[in-house]
Amino acid sequence: DIVMTQTPVSLAVAPGQTASISCESSERLVDKDGRIDLYWYLQKPGQSPQLLIFEASSRFSGVPDKFIGSGSGTDFTLKISRVEAEDIGVYYCMQGVRLPYTFGQGTKLEIK
Amino acid sequence: EVHLAESGGGLVHPGGSLKLSCSASGFNFTSSAMHWFRQPPGKGLEYVSSITSHGRNSRYAESVKGRFTISRDNFRNSLRLEMDDLRPEDSGIYFCVKDSRYYPDYWGQGTLVIVSS
Repeated sequence: DIVMTQTPVSLAVAPGQTASISCESSERLVDKDGRIDLYWYLQKPGQSPQLLIFEASSRFSGVPDKFIGSGSGTDFTLKISRVEAEDIGVYYCMQGVRLPYTFGQGTKLEIK
Repeated sequence: EVHLAESGGGLVHPGGSLKLSCSASGFNFTSSAMHWFRQPPGKGLEYVSSITSHGRNSRYAESVKGRFTISRDNFRNSLRLEMDDLRPEDSGIYFCVKDSRYYPDYWGQGTLVIVSS
């Protein structure tokens, strides 16, 4: 299975500042069609996960431009600018290049 | 609007069985592959199983292979997960998830399964 390593485990950011989360995969995440199969989900407290970023850098429908995904190969980053209270929760990266889909351990974002 | 509603969770003894259902609406269910994921209490997300849009092909995590069976009814827009020989480590919230064609996109609210004596 592909191992996803996410850092940090938790992150406290002051309102208005930028949060940065890293995700490293044990294998390159490019599929046979050239797509980068790396996804970012946010699980807000008491809710189910919601897709934020698909194919490493594309924002999903309705996701504000404060969420920026980047990276290639095996190293990926999610940046959240202008952090506010509604951004709190656990962020997960997930690889979709091969089953079983696997997730990072999660990064809990809190507000200072 | 996409809506996925899971049901069927509950408390079951080790070795017991449970059948989960997911009712789907707001999208073309017959054209969408579907997945089950789970989240053990206080832990992260895990892949469980997938099924193709027509239902002819399915895949499972190694930890549930031979014990869980995924199926779908495209006439009723429903997804199912039959779980046998349940173990305490199968406990958690089970999520029904739609596939966009390339990746899991929309998640249901989940149903809680507790395996305990």
